Formats: sequence, structure tokens, C-alpha cells
Amino acid sequence: GQQLNQSPQSMFIQEGEDVSMNCTSSSIFNTWLWYKQDPGEGPVLLIALYKAGELTSNGRLTAQFGITRKDSFLNISASIPSDVGIYFCAGDNTDKLIFGTGTRLQVFP
Amino acid sequence: SQTIHQWPATLVQPVGSPLSLECTVEGTSNPNLYWYRQAAGRGLQLLFYSVGIGQISSEVPQNLSASRPQDRQFILSSKKLLLSDSGFYLCAWSHGYEQYFGPGTRLTVT
Repeated sequence: GQQLNQSPQSMFIQEGEDVSMNCTSSSIFNTWLWYKQDPGEGPVLLIALYKAGELTSNGRLTAQFGITRKDSFLNISASIPSDVGIYFCAGDNTDKLIFGTGTRLQVFP
Repeated sequence: SQTIHQWPATLVQPVGSPLSLECTVEGTSNPNLYWYRQAAGRGLQLLFYSVGIGQISSEVPQNLSASRPQDRQFILSSKKLLLSDSGFYLCAWSHGYEQYFGPGTRLTVT
């Protein structure tokens, strides 16, 4: 089936640093979504992208819908300790979402 | 505003016992509903989804089943649990592409 590859698999950064992660697919998607999951909780929607080339921000988070429609990027600026968690990308497939493998982010003070 | 509830929050069940997990959504009508399973440190695996009452689509053949007896209620069941059924079960709802997740149920099969 369809798969989304996220990279890096994990990141260890210092508080205040900027973070970049990406998601690639072998298939075209019409929608890209980015979620964050804290330990023991359900994922929370961060940003939704609906148009190729679209760049959308949510506070310190910025995400882009790749021109080829096969990739998406998430950037976090000036990281803080509460940014710790697992970040998932997801692409639409009719009534379903295909989720990426996740990027685990650790932020050290 | 919409809210989604799942219960129980945690569950420990012996192998071979039955299972019933419940998910309810408030503040919206006729949502699409989804059940996912997440193994420790892994991604989300879609198990079932429903676009309406009594309409269930299965993604992964296994010993689990799902039912949607009411518009905003989604139930995940099993007649006999396996060790491999352990995991974090998440329910989600949507009206379009954006899915919103519940708090999850941690199931441990012993």
C-alpha cells in the first residue's frame, strides 16, 4: 500500500534551535496534514495544506505543500521544551489518511 | 465545539477474553469515524472507518470488528483477544480531510 517516508526518524536539539523535517511519498496527494503527538495522548492537528506550493504558518510552525504534490516540509523555529513529541505527516486518500512513520523530537534546555 | 471521548482510558485483559472499546463524538452530526492502532513507538495503522450508521470498511483483516450503532458512536470489538492486539487504540472523526483524534485507550493483553 501507499507509504509516507518521514525524515529524520529522530532529532535531538537544543532549546532555541530551529527544526526541519520532511515527508515524501511515491504518490500524489491533494492534501497534506501535520500532527503532533505527546506521550500517551492522541495526535493533535497542527497545520493543514490544500494547494501545491502553499506555505502556511501556525505560530512558530511553518509547513509547505511541495510543488510536485509528493512531499511536504515542517519547520519549527526557536524550539522550546514543550515542542517535544512525535510529529506525523499525513496525506489524503479519498476518505482516509495515509500517515507517515513519524519524527521524534527531543529538546534539551 | 466538537469533542471526542474514548473509554476506557486503559485496559488490561487476558488472552482469549472479549473486548469492547467505545468512542463517542459530541457537537457534530454525521461525521466520518475511524479506528487506529498504534504499537509502541510506531506509526498509526488504520483498522476501520465509517462514513455513516451501519457502514463499516475494514482495512486490515484480523480478529477485530467495528460497529456504528448510532451516528456519533463507534465501537471496536473482539470475541477473543490475542497478545498481538496490545497497543494504543485511537478513535478519530472528520468532516473532510482533517481528522481529529480522541485521547486513546491503552490496551495490554496478558
